[in-house]
Amino acid sequence: TQLLEQSPQFLSIQEGENLTVYCNSSSVFSSLQWYRQEPGEGPVLLVTVVTGGEVKKLKRLTFQFGDARKDSSLHITAAQPGDTGLYLCAGAANAGNNRKLIWGLGTSLAVNP
Amino acid sequence: DSGVTQTPKHLITATGQRVTLRCSPRSGDLSVYWYQQSLDQGLQFLIQYYNGEERAKGNILERFSAQQFPDLHSELNLSSLELGDSALYFCASSVGTATQETQYFGPGTRLLVL
Repeated sequence: TQLLEQSPQFLSIQEGENLTVYCNSSSVFSSLQWYRQEPGEGPVLLVTVVTGGEVKKLKRLTFQFGDARKDSSLHITAAQPGDTGLYLCAGAANAGNNRKLIWGLGTSLAVNP
Repeated sequence: DSGVTQTPKHLITATGQRVTLRCSPRSGDLSVYWYQQSLDQGLQFLIQYYNGEERAKGNILERFSAQQFPDLHSELNLSSLELGDSALYFCASSVGTATQETQYFGPGTRLLVL
């Protein structure tokens, strides 16, 4: 069974601090996605990483895909209260037309003003 | 607003009952996915339909079934409900089936089984 482990499970920080959350697996994924979910809403895609070693930036968020395509990290610089939410990573188990995503349990982030 | 709609928003029912959850995908999206989200198990993929046909199956119980209709809306049927079926049920849609496509999630249906 392919699993994605996310750490930490919970994180509470002050506005302006930096943080990194991790998504790890023993399996190789063809691509990996990061989502943010706010209370009472569905997850919203932030980024998709495809190539081993790839780094993508989205304003204050930096996403990295591990060289072996088994792990990923999300770094937030100068966190703001609007960054509060559940961050989920999802790995694509198969390439091609049969899509199946393996989901982590998420990191619940609270940024306090 | 993702463009995906789900009804009802909340549902309270009793054990042993049957319920139907409805999803309308974004205009033009052919794929519909169903997920169950609970606190202890996170987001679990249940099933995917593409243009009316079942495409992939995840951790869907035999008591659960789904279908996608010609107008592309989808329904998830949950029967012989148990307390443990209480969860958030999300529908998502995408244009096709490629692994890198964005899935757009609806607001979810919160099911409470008493």
